[in-house]
Amino acid sequence: QVQLQESGPGLVKPSQTLSLTCTVSGGSISSGSNYWSWIRQPAGKGLEWIGRIYTSGNTNYNPSLKSRVTISIDTSKNQFSLKLTSVTAADTAVYYCARGRDQVAQLDQWGQGTLVAVSS
Amino acid sequence: DIVMTQSPDSLAVSLGEGATINCKSSQSVLFSSNSKNYLAWYQQKPGQPPNLLIYWASTRESGVPDRFSGSGSGTDFTLTISSLQPEDVAVYYCQQYYSTPPTFGQGTKLEIK
Repeated sequence: QVQLQESGPGLVKPSQTLSLTCTVSGGSISSGSNYWSWIRQPAGKGLEWIGRIYTSGNTNYNPSLKSRVTISIDTSKNQFSLKLTSVTAADTAVYYCARGRDQVAQLDQWGQGTLVAVSS
Repeated sequence: DIVMTQSPDSLAVSLGEGATINCKSSQSVLFSSNSKNYLAWYQQKPGQPPNLLIYWASTRESGVPDRFSGSGSGTDFTLTISSLQPEDVAVYYCQQYYSTPPTFGQGTKLEIK
């Protein structure tokens, strides 16, 4: 069974760049018709889709974040990454990485999530 | 963006009783070329990531108990739990993946009465 694990700093200063990596184990990040996503959840609130990447390197981003987000993939390391620039307190959230199925469809495997706080 | 609206925001149900959660999309998520509804349901327990329950509106994910079922088409969908168990206490989210960005409902908190 594929497992996903987020890693990265838990504290980022305002105006700086948030950087997270998701490591995929138990299977190849390049297999099948899967895609790889980032989703975030502020404390006590709902889920916000950030974006996704395919093994081809093609990406889609949430228009609300598009100017600040970059998602990349390293198939040799079985990892994909998130960069979010110019962060503010509003970007404080639990960040999840997840696997999506069938090119655009449901998210069937999620990481445990990592809390990132934006504070000076 | 497609707006997903769930109702109710919270509900309390007795053990063994049924629970129904509704989800309405601001536009149809039925793809006419394959007759599939691009709608999923997730369960999120405290301190855990969301867990996929249902996809294509009514297909149960492998390993999900058969007391969970999904129905609906177009813009109106329902998640039904036939006989509530203690481990079903959670927040439930619907999600559309018909268009980018995929969007989630605000969540429905299910508790034991």
